[in-house]
Order: sequence, then C-alpha cells, then structure tokens
Amino acid sequence: QKEVEQNSGPLSVPEGAIASLNCTYSDRGSQSFFWYRQYSGKSPELIMSIYSNGDKEDGRFTAQLNKASQYVSLLIRDSQPSDSATYLCAVNGGNNNDMRFGAGTRLTVKP
Amino acid sequence: NAGVTQTPKFQVLKTGQSMTLQCAQDMNHNSMYWYRQDPGMGLRLIYYSASEGTTDKGEVPNGYNVSRLNKREFSLRLESAAPSQTSVYFCASSGVVAGGETQYFGPGTRLLVL
Repeated sequence: QKEVEQNSGPLSVPEGAIASLNCTYSDRGSQSFFWYRQYSGKSPELIMSIYSNGDKEDGRFTAQLNKASQYVSLLIRDSQPSDSATYLCAVNGGNNNDMRFGAGTRLTVKP
Repeated sequence: NAGVTQTPKFQVLKTGQSMTLQCAQDMNHNSMYWYRQDPGMGLRLIYYSASEGTTDKGEVPNGYNVSRLNKREFSLRLESAAPSQTSVYFCASSGVVAGGETQYFGPGTRLLVL
C-alpha cells in the first residue's frame, strides 16, 4: 500500500476555474504536509505547507488538512495556463528521513 | 545565493561504469538528501545526512554510496551502474519555513545507463 496517494490525472480545467487536487496518507503520526509544484523537466518547488487541521490560504492557493480523515487537498482559484504542472503531495512524520512523496497529479489549465 | 546546485545535468553511462553526482548548498542547512524520481513512482529517498559527518540509508539505498564532505557538499556515487539506475536524481537540503522544516531541491541530474 502506497503511503501517500494522489490521483495521477491528468486533471484538466478551463482558465479561471478552480482546480482541486487531493492527497491521502496512511501514517496517522504524520505532522507536516506540503504541496510542491513541478514543471516538466524541472525540480519540485514548494508552494504550500500546512501543519494543523483546517484551511491555509496564500494568494490563489488554499491548502486544506483533515488529520482525522488523513486527507490533504490543494485548491487553486482562478487557474491560469501557467499553473499547468505536476503537483506533488509530501507528508513528513517528523524525522529527517521520513518525508514521503506522492506520485503527483498532472494539472492542465486550458486557455 | 544559488540555493542547491548539482553537477552534472546529464550523464550517459554504460553498465558497470562508475560515477559521482555532486551536490552543494549555500543555505547553511544541516540536513541534505538524495532522491531518485521515476515515472509513476514519485520521489524516493536514497540516502540522507542529518549533519556533517553522518549519513543514513533511505528507502532505496542499494547500489549507491554517499559522502558528506562538509556542511555544504553531499555526493552520491554509483560504483557499478545498472540500467535500473536510469532515473532523474535530485539533491535537496532542508531548512525551517513558516514554523516547519521543508526541503529545497536542486535542478536534478538526468542519468541514462545503457
């Protein structure tokens, strides 16, 4: 069983729409949660971090965490073609070697 | 401030050849990591180093060795390359952001083993 699961997509949304990306994790002891964006041929880039239940907003991005359901999501409002990328969910149990990444969801925003 | 740098960017090896991937960071981070990324598999941890002089195995260490040369540099060595080691390799270092620790990635090394 994968420790961090994401729908691989591709997820396609029209420009200006809300894109919703989901992630579930298996380790109930996980303490910190991250969303990375990875453009094709590039390295992952951190866009959001969240540590407690609820919502965290940063510009057009909102991360949502529900530890009871072991679920973390990322909403992208007013999606732009430049948001087209693969989004990686990462979960950290608290140790240096304990970061686990999902396989990523590929998002395409169509003009 | 270059962040995390890696060399080389691309490499083609024949089965059985050896090579070292170099990584350096200028953010004064204690922890550094080596990952490989394969299609559909996400990022998998090969080795990590919590501080200068220490290294530990990650999820997929077989076929690799590492050296933490000093606080800035962390190298990954393939002693006898195999086609299964064809992958994209990322080095990362970790620091604290917004109250929590997260990882910053280098640009990656694309390795093809024939």
